[in-house]
Parts: sequence; C-alpha cells; structure tokens
Amino acid sequence: AQRVTQPEKLLSVFKGAPVELKCNYSYSGSPELFWYVQYSRQRLQLLLRHISRESIKGFTADLNKGETSFHLKKPFAQEEDSAMYYCAHSGYSTLTFGKGTMLLVSP
Amino acid sequence: EPEVTQTPSHQVTQMGQEVILRCVPISNHLYFYWYRQILGQKVEFLVSFYNNEISEKSEIFDDQFSVERPDGSNFTLKIRSTKLEDSAMYFCASSERLAGGVGELFFGEGSRLTVL
Repeated sequence: AQRVTQPEKLLSVFKGAPVELKCNYSYSGSPELFWYVQYSRQRLQLLLRHISRESIKGFTADLNKGETSFHLKKPFAQEEDSAMYYCAHSGYSTLTFGKGTMLLVSP
Repeated sequence: EPEVTQTPSHQVTQMGQEVILRCVPISNHLYFYWYRQILGQKVEFLVSFYNNEISEKSEIFDDQFSVERPDGSNFTLKIRSTKLEDSAMYFCASSERLAGGVGELFFGEGSRLTVL
C-alpha cells in the first residue's frame, strides 16, 4: 500500500537552528507529495507541494526519488514555526497523511 | 477568505446513538472529504464525494457511516450507531479539484465527537 512515513514524533530545536522534518514514501511511479501544517488552535492547511517547487515561510522540500524522501527543511527556525507538520501523498481522490511530527522551536 | 465551516464543534453522545456532523464546504468547490483523527493518532481518510456520489472510501467507512449533500451547501457525515471507538476529531475538507489532481484540500476546524 502507498504510504508516507514520518519517523519522528517530536523535533525540538532552538530558534535560529536548521530544521529538517523527515518524510519517506513508498510508491512506485511519480508520487504527488505535500506538506500540511497545523498551528496551535488553527485548522490543517497546505504548506507546500512538491510539484510547485516553491518556498513557503522559508520552508522547502525536495523530492528525492533515489532515497524516496520528501524532507521539509528550513535553514533558520523561528518560534512561530512551532506546529504539527504532516507529510501527505495523493491518490486518485484521497490525500493520505503520515503520522505527523510536532516541531517545537524554543527561544 | 472563504473557509470550510463545521458544526458542532463538540458533541457528546451515548453509545448506540446516531450522530450527524455537518459541514459547509467552500462554495465553488466540487469535491468533499471527511477525515478523522483519534486522539494521539494520525489523520485518517474516511471518504471522498463528488457529483452526489462517493468517489472513494476507506476500510474505516463501513455500513455505520454515510454521507449526504442534502442541499446546495451542506455536506453531512452520519454515524448510525456510535461506538466508543468512534470518539475522534472529524475533519471536513473541500477542494476545487480531486486530491489526486494536485488539488489543495481546505479543511474545517473539526468536530470533536465523544462517545460515552
């Protein structure tokens, strides 16, 4: 079955430190991958998608087919980045989420 | 900015009772979804809906669950006879395109269901 794996439940860093939230996928072919974010007391929302190759709020994610990964990176974490981050892939009419990684950025 | 709205925000019910969770998707969206998240677990797909039909459903979405678009604006999830394990946060989402067509899903804030 197609799935995404986020190995870390919690990632705790200090402000200004680099961040890498890991996501690996199991999918044969060309996956469509996304990162969604849920800030405290807010709704789940799209952060970025691999097909657009954009940088949102300083975050980037590159699809690495050799390593079957789609890690989310930011060079300098900010306190407002603290949130739950979900890697997701899309099927025909579904979006399947990983278990999520809680990012805590301390001052 | 248009948003997906869900009611109620929290519902407490007795085991065996029927529950209806309501959602108002974004008005020009054509595809609708329900997801759930049991406390401490991942966000799980339940069902997708388009053109008044279920497009896809997961194993979780058994005969106890049903969805309906009773009018032009609401999208409902009904649980016929609730079980303790149905306690979860239920999220409604909508999109202009299918999720598989790089469509962005817009989520509601969720309805917390507690089954006693």
